[in-house]
Amino acid sequence: QVQLVQSGTEVKKPGASVQVSCKASGYTFTNYDIHWVRQAPGQGLEWMGWINAGNGNTKYSQKFQGRVTFARDTSASTAYMELSSLRSEDTAVYYCARNIMGTIKFDYWGQGTLVTVSS
Amino acid sequence: QSVLTQPPSASETPGQRVTISCSGSSSNIGSNTVNWYQQFPGTAPKLVIYSNNQRPSGVPDRFSGSKSGTSASLAITGLQSEDEADYYCATWDASLNAVIFGGGTKLTVL
Repeated sequence: QVQLVQSGTEVKKPGASVQVSCKASGYTFTNYDIHWVRQAPGQGLEWMGWINAGNGNTKYSQKFQGRVTFARDTSASTAYMELSSLRSEDTAVYYCARNIMGTIKFDYWGQGTLVTVSS
Repeated sequence: QSVLTQPPSASETPGQRVTISCSGSSSNIGSNTVNWYQQFPGTAPKLVIYSNNQRPSGVPDRFSGSKSGTSASLAITGLQSEDEADYYCATWDASLNAVIFGGGTKLTVL
């Protein structure tokens, strides 16, 4: 069965960087995109961008451009999201989600990773 | 402020029908398909409707979606207590060049 398993809770200080991993199983990793979506406490869903797990091409939301980097390791079927220059407003649950290339249909989601930014 | 507008809350009694609206513009709903996600507290969202009106395998046929012009709707018939959750619409916005979500609707089953 398809599964996306994310890394654990992170606590970071303002100005630091955080990396969240998303390990895929149960399907051919390189046939799908991985999107990243975050949700601040009590707030709605916010799209951050995606990585094509096949060729590594990325697209970032303008809001995060320059501060976020997506990567993938095809040998490990794992996608990564790194967010730098963290500020308190980045405190959120970060989700990875599988998407069929050419669509915007997030059919499987990771369990979420809580990132807390606090001094 | 979300580009897609949803009512913040909706409520209905068990067994009844409820609809949740999602209003956008020509650059998003007007030119792209709409997906709907259900989210329970503390859990990841789940896809319940894609391509405006298609149900993924395993989603009850009590859930249906529609789109007209620059608006979309999610309808749930035969409402059950386990349908109580937050619901989000989502689509692509060609002007923003981004995936956008509605602000979410908290559904309460009275």
